[in-house]
Amino acid sequence: EAGVAQSPRYKIIEKRQSVAFWCNPISGHATLYWYQQILGQGPKLLIQFQNNGVVDDSQLPKDRFSAERLKGVDSTLKIQPAKLEDSAVYLCASSYQQSTDTQYFGPGTRLTVL
Amino acid sequence: DAKTTQPNSMESNEEEPVHLPCNHSTISGTDYIHWYRQLPSQGPEYVIHGLTSNVNNRMASLAIAEDRKSSTLILHRATLRDAAVYYCIPNDGAGSYQLTFGKGTKLSVIP
Repeated sequence: EAGVAQSPRYKIIEKRQSVAFWCNPISGHATLYWYQQILGQGPKLLIQFQNNGVVDDSQLPKDRFSAERLKGVDSTLKIQPAKLEDSAVYLCASSYQQSTDTQYFGPGTRLTVL
Repeated sequence: DAKTTQPNSMESNEEEPVHLPCNHSTISGTDYIHWYRQLPSQGPEYVIHGLTSNVNNRMASLAIAEDRKSSTLILHRATLRDAAVYYCIPNDGAGSYQLTFGKGTKLSVIP
């Protein structure tokens, strides 16, 4: 079974530029999560999708971050404009259902904002 | 969400058993206790979870205190590949099943 795919793996941008990350969850997984992991900390949930609907985006900085999951499969997370403090690893995870199912994480995208 | 307390770091010799503790004194009656680990430069991966009874799987064992205010993840024979950050995460099985990660315990395995 293929795991969660993310691209790119690394991205370096200047502050105020925009950037987008892509995630392809495990086939058949209805729930998709985006996390932000700052160096030295645990991952923090940004947004949770159930199929193509948003379940929770309460921790997403909506003035600069946006995410979508068209057709309930792939998802993109965008930052526009980026700030220095957005430097982090962005992790995508998926699970079969929203219940107590295990979350499967991708390898993450390491973003550096200069 | 229940708050957790884990040691910042622990060391173990290779092929020795490792006991990783977690205190979660504010856990509610419906919270499952999940453990995930994160190997260097990888996303977290599921290890084990339980509610009240001790649990075993191919990766580890989970011992849950009778009052459920603490739990211990047991790696029976540490290998170099087990060097990772281990996260203990109480989670409401009846809720939205969101994982709230703390800083975890960084386990170093000494050859």
